[in-house]
Amino acid sequence: GENVEQHPSTLSVQEGDSAVIKCTYSDSASNYFPWYKQELGKGPQLIIDIRSNVGEKKDQRIAVTLNKTAKHFSLHITETQPEDSAVYFCAASMGTGGYQKVTFGTGTKLQVIP
Amino acid sequence: EAQVTQNPRYLITVTGKKLTVTCSQNMNHEYMSWYRQDPGLGLRQIYYSMNVEVTDKGDVPEGYKVSRKEKRNFPLILESPSPNQTSLYFCASSLEGHEQYFGPGTRLTVT
Repeated sequence: GENVEQHPSTLSVQEGDSAVIKCTYSDSASNYFPWYKQELGKGPQLIIDIRSNVGEKKDQRIAVTLNKTAKHFSLHITETQPEDSAVYFCAASMGTGGYQKVTFGTGTKLQVIP
Repeated sequence: EAQVTQNPRYLITVTGKKLTVTCSQNMNHEYMSWYRQDPGLGLRQIYYSMNVEVTDKGDVPEGYKVSRKEKRNFPLILESPSPNQTSLYFCASSLEGHEQYFGPGTRLTVT
């Protein structure tokens, strides 16, 4: 089955700096790569996603890049703010049409220091 | 308000006592899923459902049962809970199987 590795497990940055979280996946059939943010005491919430036919996607301060050849994708957060502090999960899923089986990474705890 | 609800939010029980965690969504989503979250292991999929009466195993289905008799509800059943099922459980729903909306979580402790 699919295996998703996520690094680093913890990340501390100064407010205003950039943060990068990286994930690798094992199954070349995976075609959808979401990133979720989980705040303390809450369920994960989708913040950005990318499909396998796209190399990069941006949404304001957040961007995701995908390298299909190397089977890795990354989350980039620029101009970090204290409210960005949370646990971030990457995921990989495969399937066309019907429901996609989803495999999550182990999470990155991001701390933004004011 | 569009949401996924879970009940109960917290549950402490004893080994072997059957329990059900309910999940309901009001977004008319086709797809629903259950995950467990454990420190250092991330989120692992237990079961998922593509529609009413259609369910399939995720990565860690042992010790769990699900049913999907109505589109909006997807209960998780532990017939005989054991301490290794102590975890934080999340239900999620999705319109097309991609973007998932997660519930607030159920923290289960089995003693």
